Amino acid sequence: GAVVSQHPSRVICKSGTSVKIECRSLDFQATTMFWYRQFPKQSLMLMATSNEGSKATYEQGVEKDKFLINHASLTLSTLTVTSAHPEDSSFYICSARAGVGFGNQPQHFGDGTRLSIL
Amino acid sequence: AQTVTQSQPEMSVQEAETVTLSCTYDTSESDYYLFWYKQPPSRQMILVIRQEAYKQQNATENRFSVNFQKAAKSFSLKISDSQLGDAAMYFCAYRSLNTGNQFYFGTGTSLTVIP
Repeated sequence: GAVVSQHPSRVICKSGTSVKIECRSLDFQATTMFWYRQFPKQSLMLMATSNEGSKATYEQGVEKDKFLINHASLTLSTLTVTSAHPEDSSFYICSARAGVGFGNQPQHFGDGTRLSIL
Repeated sequence: AQTVTQSQPEMSVQEAETVTLSCTYDTSESDYYLFWYKQPPSRQMILVIRQEAYKQQNATENRFSVNFQKAAKSFSLKISDSQLGDAAMYFCAYRSLNTGNQFYFGTGTSLTVIP
């Protein structure tokens, strides 16, 4: 079955560091990728939607300059948390699917990245 | 790694009727969490219901309930008195308590509610 690889699975770094998280679709072309952040009580907030070759669409309240998303190829999207601070500590997860827009195609999730900023 | 399988890509239900969405998972762990998330057109992932593996009692949240069969590694979601607003993608998810609290998701079931 389709696999999405998210790397790294865990990051611990100092405040002020920039951290890059990769999301790769291993056996299909991921036209659309979603980035989520986990909040207390397990809810997952959609941060942005990225379509290959175009700028990401950010959800309201998500800082574009803080969370840089690049979707340069059909198999790779990256999320860079710039100048990370302790309040950015969270669990980030990506999902990918073929096709653009919102549809009912299967989504394939990465395993997530636990980010801890000291 | 753990795997989560949702074998029904699409389901439909008549308004006010009951529908059950299937989910199975594979794990060697004894303690973990299971979740059902709803993804409406906004694409947000809304937590519908959560089950701790150590609890035998099935979780319920208003019209939503689960049938958790730990030995069979099955975690189905029952939606009673279906409403038009229930139409969405539903994802089953497993969360390990050991491997960095990673989430493992199924590929989703698209639920249509027929008026």
